[in-house]
Amino acid sequence: NAGVMQNPRHLVRRRGQEARLRCSPMKGHSHVYWYRQLPEEGLKFMVYLQKENIIDESGMPKERFSAEFPKEGPSILRIQQVVRGDSAAYFCASSQQGANEKLFFGSGTQLSVL
Amino acid sequence: GNSVTQMEGPVTLSEEAFLTINCTYTATGYPSLFWYVQYPGEGLQLLLKATKADDKGSNKGFEATYRKETTSFHLEKGSVQVSDSAVYFCALPAGGGSEKLVFGKGTKLTVNP
Repeated sequence: NAGVMQNPRHLVRRRGQEARLRCSPMKGHSHVYWYRQLPEEGLKFMVYLQKENIIDESGMPKERFSAEFPKEGPSILRIQQVVRGDSAAYFCASSQQGANEKLFFGSGTQLSVL
Repeated sequence: GNSVTQMEGPVTLSEEAFLTINCTYTATGYPSLFWYVQYPGEGLQLLLKATKADDKGSNKGFEATYRKETTSFHLEKGSVQVSDSAVYFCALPAGGGSEKLVFGKGTKLTVNP
C-alpha cells in the first residue's frame, strides 16, 4: 500500500537547465497538489490538478513553471531554465476528495541549483 | 481568502514538559482545521483535525480544540518526548471555492532529554 511517491529525492541542476519532478499519488487518489518549501518559510501552494486538468494554478510563477497530471503516469512539475532562487523542497500531496479531506504528502524533492 | 497565523519558533523544551503552540485563523464560515507534523527529512503528515466548532482533535497525546470565539486552534501536549522533535504546521482550506490548503509558517520543536 504505497504512499505518495516522489522522485528524485534530490536533484542538482546548473542554472539554465531544466528540472523535472515526478509525483505518483496514492492509489485511488485523483487530486494532486504541489507545494514549495523555502528555507525558514512555510509551505507555499503552487498548483492543484485532477486527472488531465489543472484546477488551480494561482501559486505558480507565470514563467518557466508548468505542471501536468496525465491520464496515465505520474504528475510532473517542470521548471525550465532554473535559477538559484528555485532551490527549495518541492512537495507533492494527494487526496481522494479535495482539501477538506486528509492530504497525504510525499517525502519531497530537494532541488539545488548551482 | 482564509488565513492562519502560527506562533513562531523555535521552541526548545525538556522531556516531559508541557507544550503549547499557538494558532489563530481568519476564515469565512467554519472550515476544517488541521495540524500537520514534519519529521526531519520527511514530508508532512496529518497529526490531527477538527471539523466544526468546539470539536477536539487528538492523536499521539496531542490535542487541539476548535474555538470559534477566539478563532484559535492551539496545539497542546501534556508531556513531550524527544521523538516529538519536528516542525508543526497549522492549516485550513483557503476558502472561496478553492481546494487548496493554506499553511502557517511552521514551528520547530526540539525536545531535549
